[in-house]
Amino acid sequence: DAGVIQSPRHEVTEMGQEVTLRCKPISGHNSLFWYRQTMMRGLELLIYFNNNVPIDDSGMPEDRFSAKMPNASFSTLKIQPSEPRDSAVYFCASSQSPGLAGLGETQYFGPGTRLLVL
Amino acid sequence: KNEVEQSPQNLTAQEGEFITINCSYSVGISALHWLQQHPGGGIVSLFMLSSGKKKHGRLIATINIQEKHSSLHITASHPRDSAVYICAVGDYGGSQGNLIFGKGTKLSVKP
Repeated sequence: DAGVIQSPRHEVTEMGQEVTLRCKPISGHNSLFWYRQTMMRGLELLIYFNNNVPIDDSGMPEDRFSAKMPNASFSTLKIQPSEPRDSAVYFCASSQSPGLAGLGETQYFGPGTRLLVL
Repeated sequence: KNEVEQSPQNLTAQEGEFITINCSYSVGISALHWLQQHPGGGIVSLFMLSSGKKKHGRLIATINIQEKHSSLHITASHPRDSAVYICAVGDYGGSQGNLIFGKGTKLSVKP
């Protein structure tokens, strides 16, 4: 298996522009997680899907952020409009089975998308 | 909200040394993860544990639920072990999928 695939790997954009990050989870995994990593705040869980349904989006910073999972093999994280403080590395991860991270299912991380908003 | 503390923040070791990284948390959990982030940024899940001890190669992870503490040990350390090691806990009190992360421990192993 190719592992979790994220695109683009790098994105540079100007403030106010819309940014769309994409993720393809490992085939057969039914849970998908979006994380953000910054120097100041470390890794933070943004949103989590189970069987394509958003379960917990309490980590989404504000309404400018939205995530979708239209099918089991694809998810997007959208920022509109983007701001310089959104600059970070965004990771997608997937897991198998119930996918309840609180119960300790191993998560497989993608390579991340490095976003820079000027 | 669970507070996750890792120590030390930075660690430099000589090749071959035994290394211990610690993680403490404030609220009872259902599971704890140890992650490794390589200098290039990629993240790998090393262990997931809810009790006792797990071993994989030169890596050993232990957890003491009563003391709310976990340790990650690396035996016979090697320069390729240089990475940031991150502890994450699954919070009983949080929503499903709610993982709380430590700030990470940056390990540098010198040849």
